[in-house]
Amino acid sequence: GQNIDQPTEMTATEGAIVQINCTYQTSGFNGLFWYQQHAGEAPTFLSYNVLDGLEEKGRFSSFLSRSKGYSYLLLKELQMKDSASYLCAVRALFSGGYNKLIFGAGTRLAVHP
Amino acid sequence: DSGVTQTPKHLITATGQRVTLRCSPRSGDLSVYWYQQSLDQGLQFLIQYYNGEERAKGNILERFSAQQFPDLHSELNLSSLELGDSALYFCASSVAQGAYEQYFGPGTRLTVT
Repeated sequence: GQNIDQPTEMTATEGAIVQINCTYQTSGFNGLFWYQQHAGEAPTFLSYNVLDGLEEKGRFSSFLSRSKGYSYLLLKELQMKDSASYLCAVRALFSGGYNKLIFGAGTRLAVHP
Repeated sequence: DSGVTQTPKHLITATGQRVTLRCSPRSGDLSVYWYQQSLDQGLQFLIQYYNGEERAKGNILERFSAQQFPDLHSELNLSSLELGDSALYFCASSVAQGAYEQYFGPGTRLTVT
C-alpha cells in the first residue's frame, strides 16, 4: 500500500525558517513533489526530488532520503503570503506500468507577524 | 495562471443528478489528470488520460467517468450524485504521460444538496 505522513498544522513567525517533514511508505517510488496550495485555490508546483540530497530554489529547499522514506521542505525568510497548505506527493509506478501521484493530506502553515 | 482552464467554477445540484465538468489543458500538454479534494480526504487522484486514451486509474467511483477528446480537452461526468460527492474537482495537465510536474486548473467546486 501507499502511505504518506505529514504534520497537520504548523505555525511560524515572519522572517523565520520552518521545516515541513514528510515520510512515506510506497512501492515503486519514482520521485517526490512538493506543492503549495492556498485555501480554495489550485496547488502550485514547488519542487521535485528524485535523487537523494537537497534541491534549492530561492527561499525554498527540498530534501530527499530514499533509504529513509523521508523528505522535508525548508522555507526561509518566511513571509505572510507563505501561509498555505503544503502538499507532499509521491510519484509511484503502479501495475500496468503507469506512474501516479499520491498526495499526502497536507500541512497547513500559519505565518504570524 | 497555470494555463489550465476549468468550467464551471461553481456547481450546485441535487442528489441523484448528473453533471459534467470540463477541462482544457495547457497548450502543448497531452496528459490530463482529474483529482477530487474534499475536506476530510485531501487530494485524491481519479483518472488520467494521455492523448485521448485512458492511462491510469485511481479511486474513481463507477458512477464517475471521463474522456479526453481529439482537441485534448477533457470532461469528467459524475452521475447519481450523493451528498458525499461535494468537493473541489481539479484538473491538471502535463506534457508527458509519466505523472511528472503537473499544472493544476482553478478547480470546480461541486455542492450536492
